[in-house]
Amino acid sequence: GAVVSQHPSWVICKSGTSVKIECRSLDFQATTMFWYRQFPKQSLMLMATSNEGSKATYEQGVEKDKFLINHASLTLSTLTVTSAHPEDSSFYICSARAYGSSNQPQHFGDGTRLSIL
Amino acid sequence: KNQVEQSPQSLIILEGKNCTLQCNYTVSPFSNLRWYKQDTGRGPVSLTIMTFSENTKSNGRYTATLDADTKQSSLHITASQLSDSASYICVVRGDAGNNRKLIWGLGTSLAVNP
Repeated sequence: GAVVSQHPSWVICKSGTSVKIECRSLDFQATTMFWYRQFPKQSLMLMATSNEGSKATYEQGVEKDKFLINHASLTLSTLTVTSAHPEDSSFYICSARAYGSSNQPQHFGDGTRLSIL
Repeated sequence: KNQVEQSPQSLIILEGKNCTLQCNYTVSPFSNLRWYKQDTGRGPVSLTIMTFSENTKSNGRYTATLDADTKQSSLHITASQLSDSASYICVVRGDAGNNRKLIWGLGTSLAVNP
């Protein structure tokens, strides 16, 4: 149980393109979803936290107008990287947590590798 | 200085051997400590979650220990398998205000060779 599906797994596109990444919780309702970015040999960096039906909370230094997050249902959150540039190339990972204690684990998707040419 | 430090940075062992990975943290106050396994190019998978009051927790061949007084944790892997090759990440969750987010270590890269 507790499967999180992330799509697409790999994206290569031209600079200036907008890219949408989907994160779905397949067998549980995720009241909270998290978006991370990971550069090679570095730890995961939290970009934003989204709660279903409300605006996402962005971490310091993350541009909310560039990284648009929508959490419209209890099973789906999307991250749109607008007007992507080569420096946005990274591994983007979502995670989801069911309703309950913050001691509950986050369940992670398999990530999206984004390459901007 | 990272609030969660892991050692060693990388480790190579032979299949069937045991190994222990270390995690020291300074996050305070503290809510829970987690160990994740991350295969290359994949998302992390939770191995254990321990709260303040727990000293040890096992998940199959993985056993995590926690000493909240010294702020140290370890992950012991028994009878290693080739599929154990991955990055093992220690994550600590704070317990107050802006410190409630997860603080991620840089991980220990483990290679199990035949």
